[in-house]
This record gives sequence, structure tokens and C-alpha cells, in this order.
Amino acid sequence: QKEVEQNSGPLSVPEGAIASLNCTYSDRGSQSFFWYRQYSGKSPELIMSIYSNGDKEDGRFTAQLNKASQYVSLLIRDSQPSDSATYLCAVITRSTLGRLYFGRGTQLTVWP
Amino acid sequence: SAVISQKPSRDICQRGTSLTIQCQVDSQVTMMFWYRQQPGQSLTLIATANQGSEATYESGFVIDKFPISRPNLTFSTLTVSNMSPEDSSIYLCSVDEIQGQETQYFGPGTRLLVL
Repeated sequence: QKEVEQNSGPLSVPEGAIASLNCTYSDRGSQSFFWYRQYSGKSPELIMSIYSNGDKEDGRFTAQLNKASQYVSLLIRDSQPSDSATYLCAVITRSTLGRLYFGRGTQLTVWP
Repeated sequence: SAVISQKPSRDICQRGTSLTIQCQVDSQVTMMFWYRQQPGQSLTLIATANQGSEATYESGFVIDKFPISRPNLTFSTLTVSNMSPEDSSIYLCSVDEIQGQETQYFGPGTRLLVL
């Protein structure tokens, strides 16, 4: 059973704050890790991918991966109301040829 | 990244009918997938669309209900057969790209309402 767990939320932060989203996964064979943003009524949009331990930064977004702890997180700095969306954590394992395993998602609201 | 389009973008259908959803990619890709997202839920994989062979279905999904075609490396269709209101969902295709690292992108989705 390959499980991906996210903090259920909803998460609410003021504009300008740091939003922290967390995700754990059960399969130690997981090799690729993704964060998708999904606005209501829209399809998931890839915002970050990470493949090795450590931090990866892209603009206001930082993904952090710790394979020993089976933990991946997403930090959003200087949060904006336009960041309000559901954030989906997803992983691909070595044994499942591109199949994504998703968490349930965390709903983020950034209030002005 | 690959550009993915889906047709139709939305539809309202009567129970008992079938709908075929098309997914077109602007480049050749090895792996294409079909997902379903029911209201308020995360994404559930229906099947992997294999070029030149039968699709690989996930537990709980069967070919008679969700037949899939993959005639080439840029196109796939998913049919939702004998629909019931429980099939009302967003249906999404995705493609797996490996350019150095593996990445997966989603199409815009097809919003289906079954009455």
C-alpha cells in the first residue's frame, strides 16, 4: 500500500506570511516528488518537483525533501491571496512506472 | 513542457448513455494516464493508456465501463459507458515526461455531469 498523507487543513494565513504544507509518504522506493496547485474547478498545475534530499527553491516556493524521514514539504513565502488553492502532494515510486500517488490535498486560504 | 488539450471541456449527459473524451498532446509521450476527480476528492487513477496494447486498469475500474484507446504517442480517448449520476466527475488525462528528470503534467480536464 503506497500512502501519501497531507495535513488535512484547511490552512489559513495572512497575506505576506509563510505558508507551510507538509506531506509524508509510506513507500521508501519513492523517487520523484511533486507539489500541484489546484484552483477550484481547474486541473492540477505543477508548481514544484524535487528528486533529491534538501531544498529546492523557485521564486516564492521552496520544496524540502527528507527521504530518511519520508517527508516532503512546501513553503510559500510572502503568501498572496492568489495562492489560495488546494495543494496536492504526489509521489512516483521506482516500481510503478510513472504512476502518481496523491495525498488528499491541503486547502490554503490567504486572507488580505 | 507538453501542451495537453482535452475535448469536450464539459458535458451534461443522460443516464445510460456514453461519452468519449479525447486527449491530445503536442509532442510524443510514452506514458499517458487517465484520472478521475470526484467532487471534493483527490485524484484517482483509472488506467494507464498504453500505445499499441490494452490499457492497464487500476483496482475498481474495468475495461467495459471505461474503454481506452491509444492509437499513437500523441492521442488517447477514454469512454465513460452506460453512465450513472455516480460518474459525475472531472476526468483528467496526464502525460509523463522524462527530460533528465521525470515530470507529469495534466490536461485541463473534462467536467461531466450525469443526470
